[in-house]
Amino acid sequence: GQNIDQPTEMTATEGAIVQINCTYQTSGFNGLFWYQQHAGEAPTFLSYNVLDGLEEKGRFSSFLSRSKGYSYLLLKELQMEDSASYLCAVRDYGDKIIFGKGTRLHILP
Amino acid sequence: GAVVSQHPSWVICKSGTSVKIECRSLDFQATTMFWYRQFPKQSLMLMATSNEGSKATYEQGVEKDKFLINHASLTLSTLTVTSAHPEDSSFYICSARDRISPLHFGNGTRLTVT
Repeated sequence: GQNIDQPTEMTATEGAIVQINCTYQTSGFNGLFWYQQHAGEAPTFLSYNVLDGLEEKGRFSSFLSRSKGYSYLLLKELQMEDSASYLCAVRDYGDKIIFGKGTRLHILP
Repeated sequence: GAVVSQHPSWVICKSGTSVKIECRSLDFQATTMFWYRQFPKQSLMLMATSNEGSKATYEQGVEKDKFLINHASLTLSTLTVTSAHPEDSSFYICSARDRISPLHFGNGTRLTVT
C-alpha cells in the first residue's frame, strides 16, 4: 500500500527556520516532490529529490534519505506569505504521484 | 516554465447536469495528465491517470462512468462530471508532465452543484 505521513499543522515565527518532515512507504520510489499550496489555489512546485542528500534553492531546501523513507523541507527566514500548506508527494514506479495530507504552516509575526 | 491551463476556474451547475473541465499544456507535450480532487482542508486525491490516446486509469472508488476522461492529444485532456450531484462539489485540479519534468498543475476548477 501507499502511505505518506507528514504533520497536520505547524506554527513558526516570522524570520525563523522551520523543518517539515515527511515519511513514506510506497510500492515503489521514483522521486519525491514538495509543493506549496495557498488556500483556494492550485499547488506550486517547490522541489524534486530523486537522489539522497540536500537540494538547496534559495530560502527553501529539501532533503531525502531513500533508505529511511524520509524527507524534509526546510524553510529559512520565514515570511508571512509562507503561510500555506506544504504537500509531500511520491512518484512510484508506475509514475503515479501520490500526495500526503499536507502540513498547514502558520507564521506568526 | 511549463504552463498548464485549466478552464473554467469555477462553475455552478444544477444537480443532474454535466460539466466539462479542460486541461491544456501550453508549452510542452504532456505524455501524462492526472486529475485530482480536493475537498476543503484535505489533500489532493488522485482520481485518474490519463495517457494520450489510451483509456484513463481510474483509482479505486472513482466511478469511470461518472467521471469521463478524454486525452485526445498531447496537449489536451478533459474531465466530464456526468449527472453531477451536490456531493461532487469540490476543487478539481489537473496536472501534466512530459517524461522528465515535475508535475505542473492547472489553477483548478471549483465546482459547486446546487
